[in-house]
Amino acid sequence: QVQLVESGGGVVQPGRSLRLSCAASGFTFSNYGMHWVRQAPGKGLEWVAVISYDRNNENYADSVKGRFTISRDNSKNTLYLQMNSLRSDDTAMYYCARDRGGRVFDYWGQGTLVTVSS
Amino acid sequence: DIQMTQSPSSLSASAGDRVTITCRASQSISTYVNWYQEKPGKAPKLLIYAASSLQSGVPSRFSAIRSGTDFTLTINSLQPEDFATYSCQQSYSIPYTFGQGTKLEIK
Repeated sequence: QVQLVESGGGVVQPGRSLRLSCAASGFTFSNYGMHWVRQAPGKGLEWVAVISYDRNNENYADSVKGRFTISRDNSKNTLYLQMNSLRSDDTAMYYCARDRGGRVFDYWGQGTLVTVSS
Repeated sequence: DIQMTQSPSSLSASAGDRVTITCRASQSISTYVNWYQEKPGKAPKLLIYAASSLQSGVPSRFSAIRSGTDFTLTINSLQPEDFATYSCQQSYSIPYTFGQGTKLEIK
């Protein structure tokens, strides 16, 4: 069965960096675009970034553009999110999600919590 | 950016009730709307895609329609496991924005 497992979250000081990972299994990872979506405490879901199945295309929300980088290693079935210059408003649960096509997120992980605080 | 205005923000209902949740898009987005169910500590779950198509494995008591820029999710005959938060999402253009969510609580 399809499984997505995020890791790498934690407490980090403002201005520092963190790298999240999402380990995929149960499907041919290299065939699917992948997304990161986050949810700040008490807020709705916010799309963060997308990467195409072949790594040729990436897009970002304006709120993270220039600070976050999405990447993937298809040989390791793993998606990444490199987060630099973290701010307090980056505090959120971060989810990875599979794109079934048409930017529909058909499978999600359970999330990893990032807290940016001094 | 396309805004998705979701209402209500919360809703109380009883098992067996029918409830409706609405999202209004700030511009025309055809049928590029999807609906998700969220429960604490669990992975969000896709319920409906392309405005009205039921995701495989989702019970038929869930349904959705589009009318112009208004999108409505209906849950018939509420079951105990349906008490959760529901969110719409537009997949028409980047950024792929979500509604603010509707928390469905037991009355």
